[in-house]
Amino acid sequence: QVQLQESGPGLVKPSQTLSLTCTVSGGSINSGGFYWSWIRQHPGKGLEWIGSIYFSGKTYYNPSLKSRVTISVDTSKNQFYLKLSSVAAADTAFYYCAREEEYNSRFDPWGQGTLVTVSS
Amino acid sequence: QSVLTQPPSASGTPGQRVTISCSGRSSNIGSNTVNWYQQLSGTAPKLLIYDNNQRPSGVPDRFSGSKSGTSASLAISGLQSEDEADYYCAAWDDSLDGPVVFGGGTKLTVL
Repeated sequence: QVQLQESGPGLVKPSQTLSLTCTVSGGSINSGGFYWSWIRQHPGKGLEWIGSIYFSGKTYYNPSLKSRVTISVDTSKNQFYLKLSSVAAADTAFYYCAREEEYNSRFDPWGQGTLVTVSS
Repeated sequence: QSVLTQPPSASGTPGQRVTISCSGRSSNIGSNTVNWYQQLSGTAPKLLIYDNNQRPSGVPDRFSGSKSGTSASLAISGLQSEDEADYYCAAWDDSLDGPVVFGGGTKLTVL
C-alpha cells in the first residue's frame, strides 16, 4: 500500500523559496508507469495542479507556475521535492503530493497535505 | 477561472439521485479520460472515479461516472449523509492550458 507524506516549513516569508518534501513509503518511486505530483489548494478554493516528475527526472509543469517551480527526485531516498520561488501571499495554500498514472489526471494515492503560509 | 466547468453547488435529500456535471472542450474531455475526486471536509482528496466510469476498489457502486463528447457527469444514487463533500473532475489537456486541468469543484449538500 503506497503512502505519501509531505513535510516542510509551515511558514515562509514573502519573496523567499518554498521547499517541500514528499516521502513515499510502501512502494518504490522507481516503479514505472507513474509520475509523482504536487497539487495545491488555496484555503476554501479548488485544486490546482503544480507539476509532476518521473523517476528519471523528466518533469512537466503547470504553465502558469512554470517560471517559479522546480520539482526534483531522489530515488535513493524515495523522495521527491517541490521548490516554489519568489513566493507571495497568494501562494498560501495546502500543498499535496500524489502519485499520478502516466499521462493521465488520475492521482492516487494522495498525501494528507500540508498548509504553507506566506507571511512576514 | 477553471478550465473545466462545474456547478459550484448541488444538493439532495437522503435516498435521492444527484448528478454533477463537468464541461470541457475538445482538447481535454473531448480527447482524454475524466477522473473524479471526493474531498470530505478537512481531508485530502480521494480518487472516486477513474477513466470516465471506473470505480477504485472500495468505492460504493452508488457512485458512477459517464462521458459524452466534451462533458462528463458524476452520479450519486441512494444519497447518504456521508456523501456531503466537495467533488472535483480532472482531465489531461492537450492544449497550452495543460497538461493537467481540474474543475472548480462542486459542493454537495445532503439536506
